[in-house]
Amino acid sequence: QKEVEQNSGPLSVPEGAIASLNCTYSDRGSQSFFWYRQYSGKSPELIMSIYSNGDKEDGRFTAQLNKASQYVSLLIRDSQPSDSATYLCALSLTGTYKYIFGTGTRLKVLA
Amino acid sequence: DAGVIQSPRHEVTEMGQEVTLRCKPISGHNSLFWYRQTMMRGLELLIYFNNNVPIDDSGMPEDRFSAKMPNASFSTLKIQPSEPRDSAVYFCASSDLGEPQHFGDGTRLSIL
Repeated sequence: QKEVEQNSGPLSVPEGAIASLNCTYSDRGSQSFFWYRQYSGKSPELIMSIYSNGDKEDGRFTAQLNKASQYVSLLIRDSQPSDSATYLCALSLTGTYKYIFGTGTRLKVLA
Repeated sequence: DAGVIQSPRHEVTEMGQEVTLRCKPISGHNSLFWYRQTMMRGLELLIYFNNNVPIDDSGMPEDRFSAKMPNASFSTLKIQPSEPRDSAVYFCASSDLGEPQHFGDGTRLSIL
């Protein structure tokens, strides 16, 4: 089993809708969780980090973490065509600086 | 603030040649990471340094790959000899203790 699993997509949503991206992980020692956005041909860009159970909101983005169920999700409200990108879920293991990345979910927001 | 700076942005070379990729981390960051990204395998961690010391190189694919960090502001990733299967985008990232990683723009490497 992969350490971090994401559906590769593409996930297509109409403009203005809520996009929901999900990520599951296998290591219960995972401590910190991150969502990165990567446009085609560009480098990953951090958009959210979350460290404790519950929701964390930043503008149109909400990250949700449930350590008991071992999943983390990202909601994008009022999706825009400019949100079309690959979203990478990452986690760091307790006691290390090492990140484990998922393979990413490609999001397409249709105008 | 300057971000993570990588050079070159693109490299095309022939099989068997030595390739050196360079990275300047964000000033003050004490951790530096080298990643490789391909369509098939996604983003893979190759090696990371903490305070210029290599901590985990378990992701380095084979002895043809080596990385150094001679000081806090510079790191290199070297491939010798290079092979076509090394073609990928190589990213460098840096972070401060406990903080998220910030990525450079990457080096797109093509081995012919």
